[in-house]
Amino acid sequence: EDQVTQSPEALRLQEGESSSLNCSYTVSGLRGLFWYRQDPGKGPEFLFTLYSAGEEKEKERLKATLTKKESFLHITAPKPEDSATYLCAGGDSNYQLIWGAGTKLIIKP
Amino acid sequence: NAGVTQTPKFQVLKTGQSMTLQCAQDMNHNSMYWYRQDPGMGLRLIYYSASEGTTDKGEVPNGYNVSRLNKREFSLRLESAAPSQTSVYFCASSGVTGLGNYGYTFGSGTRLTVV
Repeated sequence: EDQVTQSPEALRLQEGESSSLNCSYTVSGLRGLFWYRQDPGKGPEFLFTLYSAGEEKEKERLKATLTKKESFLHITAPKPEDSATYLCAGGDSNYQLIWGAGTKLIIKP
Repeated sequence: NAGVTQTPKFQVLKTGQSMTLQCAQDMNHNSMYWYRQDPGMGLRLIYYSASEGTTDKGEVPNGYNVSRLNKREFSLRLESAAPSQTSVYFCASSGVTGLGNYGYTFGSGTRLTVV
């Protein structure tokens, strides 16, 4: 069964304290690994798509990486405005997204 | 602003009542989706429409029906609401039949409580 698992469930960091969020996946015929950001009361907002192991993408303080079993979202020197829930999803062989439950990131000033 | 618009934003229903959640997109996307989001769980697909005139069941379709009214609009109907349907509902759209490079564009959600 296809599955996506995110860890930790919640992460509290001080402003400027770098860390990583994990997304483990078992999705046969993976058609892309997607990262989204979700703010309270809003719908998910697209961040990155990764297609092959070794691929990396960056946007401001965020960098997403992909291996054959996991994806990491690295956040460097975060600011309070980076506080949000980060969701990852794997595209399956039917072109549907299999979603993780998300990591709630809190950045304290 | 271009995007996905959902109405209403909030709704409280009594058990057994019916209602329709509306969704419209103005990006000329072919595919549209309805998801529910519950605490501690990933988004779960209820129904989707790969193109105008077609609809298919997702992971959790029981208790719901959908209508793809035209290319822009995709509605979700609860015929007899149950407390288990208390959730946040998201509509999404995609410009390609597959996933493309950008996944889906989401609306801001409808927060439904069934008492």
